[in-house]
Amino acid sequence: RKEVEQDPGPFNVPEGATVAFNCTYSNSASQSFFWYRQDCRKEPKLLMSVYSSGNEDGRFTAQLNRASQYISLLIRDSKLSDSATYLCVVTINTDKLIFGTGTRLQVFP
Amino acid sequence: EAQVTQNPRYLITVTGKKLTVTCSQNMNHEYMSWYRQDPGLGLRQIYYSMNVEVTDKGDVPEGYKVSRKEKRNFPLILESPSPNQTSLYFCASSRSYPGDAGGSPLHFGNGTRLTVT
Repeated sequence: RKEVEQDPGPFNVPEGATVAFNCTYSNSASQSFFWYRQDCRKEPKLLMSVYSSGNEDGRFTAQLNRASQYISLLIRDSKLSDSATYLCVVTINTDKLIFGTGTRLQVFP
Repeated sequence: EAQVTQNPRYLITVTGKKLTVTCSQNMNHEYMSWYRQDPGLGLRQIYYSMNVEVTDKGDVPEGYKVSRKEKRNFPLILESPSPNQTSLYFCASSRSYPGDAGGSPLHFGNGTRLTVT
């Protein structure tokens, strides 16, 4: 089983739609969780950290479910500019990050 | 401007010809890391460094070397490149250890697209 797994997509959604991605992780000792966004083979950029109690940043909501070992990202009111690949990142130990292979989102007019 | 700078952006070379990809950050970050990204495999860690003169292997270190003589610089060295090292490479840094409580996000460079023929 992969340490971090994501559905590769693509998720094709119309503008204004709500879309959600999940990311599962296998190591129950994982400590920190992030969502990164990557545009078209450019560098990944931090979208948001994921906190135990869940957190929201504008149209984006991230949640952590430790019992089932997954994190989620919800995007409301999708924009064309949200089209990108979303990478789930999980830390294992104090120095190791594991990246998921990403979920591709395509928002169409 | 706070940034991670990688050079070169594009590099085409031949098998066996030693090369170095430079990485520099101006944020006084302690943690630096190199990744390669290949289709279907995502980002895989090559080497990382938690501080000056401290480096450790990541998941795919074979064929690569690194050094951390100064806090800001973390060059990636390919002593004898081979075609299977053709990839997109990213350098990244973070303020402290990524696994710390609360987590310290990574800042990435723009990437280096390497082709080895």
